[in-house]
Amino acid sequence: DGGITQSPKYLFRKEGQNVTLSCEQNLNHDAMYWYRQDPGQGLRLIYYSQIVNDFQKGDIAEGYSVSREKKESFPLTVTSAQKNPTAFYLCASSIRLAGDTQYFGPGTRLTVL
Amino acid sequence: GDSVTQMEGPVTLSEEAFLTINCTYTATGYPSLFWYVQYPGEGLQLLLKATKADDKGSNKGFEATYRKETTSFHLEKGSVQVSDSAVYFCALSGQNYGGATNKLIFGTGTLLAVQP
Repeated sequence: DGGITQSPKYLFRKEGQNVTLSCEQNLNHDAMYWYRQDPGQGLRLIYYSQIVNDFQKGDIAEGYSVSREKKESFPLTVTSAQKNPTAFYLCASSIRLAGDTQYFGPGTRLTVL
Repeated sequence: GDSVTQMEGPVTLSEEAFLTINCTYTATGYPSLFWYVQYPGEGLQLLLKATKADDKGSNKGFEATYRKETTSFHLEKGSVQVSDSAVYFCALSGQNYGGATNKLIFGTGTLLAVQP
């Protein structure tokens, strides 16, 4: 079955630690995205990538980093510089960057202890 | 900049009631419009979409019509079920964002609770 997988589903981190969230897709999509969701709010774009080895900052990139070494993978690192990292993180992909429907993974809930 | 405004929830209905969730938008150009649904603890699923004015998106009994004259994309369903209980997000795909991108701009979401 084609789709987007995110792991782990739940993640706990101590303050001051970096943590990496995994996102994999087997849809052969070129574009991938990371969003953050906070309670009672819509989703906000962290980073996006339209092609391998290329990525761009979204609206709230500070304290986050990404890489796109393979078409199917777009991991997100939440660094210690992120002031308020506790949130639900969603990865998405689309066939191309412009104008296509985005499909979402199941999400990772990150809690900083 | 582009934005989406949804009616605040929660919306509480009895089973088989009629549902309307209002969504209005502000955008330059001609965005695509989407409704996504999120069940508890899960990611977002695309419910329906419309790509140009007067298009009607439909899926699983839900419908929404792209109204450019009123900049609206209200979600409707004639008879809701308990299984429809979820958070519904209206979104638009901005056409211009640092060049050529597919940024989705979301509303804040509307929680729907359907009681038996």
